[in-house]
Amino acid sequence: ETGVTQTPRHLVMGMTNKKSLKCEQHLGHNAMYWYKQSAKKPLELMFVYSLEERVENNSVPSRFSPECPNSSHLFLHLHTLQPEDSALYLCASSQGGGGGTEAFFGQGTRLTVV
Amino acid sequence: AQSVTQLDSQVPVFEEAPVELRCNYSSSVSVYLFWYVQYPNQGLQLLLKYLSGSTLVESINGFEAEFNKSQTSFHLRKPSVHISDTAEYFCAVSVFGNEKLTFGTGTRLTIIP
Repeated sequence: ETGVTQTPRHLVMGMTNKKSLKCEQHLGHNAMYWYKQSAKKPLELMFVYSLEERVENNSVPSRFSPECPNSSHLFLHLHTLQPEDSALYLCASSQGGGGGTEAFFGQGTRLTVV
Repeated sequence: AQSVTQLDSQVPVFEEAPVELRCNYSSSVSVYLFWYVQYPNQGLQLLLKYLSGSTLVESINGFEAEFNKSQTSFHLRKPSVHISDTAEYFCAVSVFGNEKLTFGTGTRLTIIP
């Protein structure tokens, strides 16, 4: 149990569907992240939330929409995705504040877009 | 901006043999360095990290890594691997004042019985 829980673990969706990924952390951290993991590519940082405010958005297409209602929860809303969006989406949290802190990861959601 | 290079995408090693997984980084400022491990169907877990002080850091399961500033490297080593070490290993870097981690492409370690 890593303290970061992601649901669902697997998701298959059509290109016209709307779905949401959920992440919950029970570690008391103040920073949360969404990463995309594709085969043979580095982990891509998508969004960073610090103290519930979005502090980084790495040129992610608008079909991905994050939401952080409180410091324990993070969502990634998905709509009109493309097949190339199929990947493992990882949520992480850390006690932000200056680097050198460990990020704790969830087990990820394996997303397949058909 | 910083970057991380893991040149070996796959490393096969016989059980009980030693292994080294290479990691080089690029940064214009001082860095913190990390190795994460990802077992099949799992998220990433921290294996070890270098923040400051002794350049040799160790994990609880026998891995060690040495920070070499002149060579901008942070290679991961283990003197004798086990089947249970089969996983993907990611090197990552962050800088002072920014908790964002920049990851390498990962190295898949396969242990041959």
